[in-house]
Amino acid sequence: GESVGLHLPTLSVQEGDNSIINCAYSNSASDYFIWYKQESGKGPQFIIDIRSNMDKRQGQRVTVLLNKTVKHLSLQIAATQPGDSAVYFCAENHRNNNDMRFGAGTRLTVKP
Amino acid sequence: KAGVTQTPRYLIKTRGQQVTLSCSPISGHRSVSWYQQTPGQGLQFLFEYFSETQRNKGNFPGRFSGRQFSNSRSEMNVSTLELGDSALYLCASSLTTTRREQYFGPGTRLTVT
Repeated sequence: GESVGLHLPTLSVQEGDNSIINCAYSNSASDYFIWYKQESGKGPQFIIDIRSNMDKRQGQRVTVLLNKTVKHLSLQIAATQPGDSAVYFCAENHRNNNDMRFGAGTRLTVKP
Repeated sequence: KAGVTQTPRYLIKTRGQQVTLSCSPISGHRSVSWYQQTPGQGLQFLFEYFSETQRNKGNFPGRFSGRQFSNSRSEMNVSTLELGDSALYLCASSLTTTRREQYFGPGTRLTVT
């Protein structure tokens, strides 16, 4: 989920288990949301996106759920693999002003 | 197609100095955005350039500036460096000014001592 300060929320899962990473967004007028994955020493990498007129979208091994009522976004990773270990963060975008805001991120560690 | 490249990858500077970072976008991309990433503040938008013009600016002091060249390559400059400027500086490019479809470079790790 979201955090402020120096410490990222962490999630540790066993290889093969499913992972759920949560994010609370701030602007009820945001109409587009993205999940990024950032591995150590690399820039953020696009994983999956969802528009506000949807509540679920599936990709390859990933699913994003959007709950606009409580301004909550989640990323589900199926059959988590060691290569999934990274920091994951959400971003919200408002089309009218093209403002893009990023969450603080969650560090996912996959144990073999 | 080559991705976004940033140079240098690592940089150490002392307080009071100035620094220039470079970003080469994906071929054909005309928009370049710059972000600062720190453990305390996360990813924060600095500014965006499109066709050599600054289109958007985040909430950073005037010590942070940038420019874009006719080939879409971009540079950002930070003058009078402070310890708090230590961060990972990320560049992202996109075809248009829609930052939804942006691709990030690996970043430049700046350490100010």
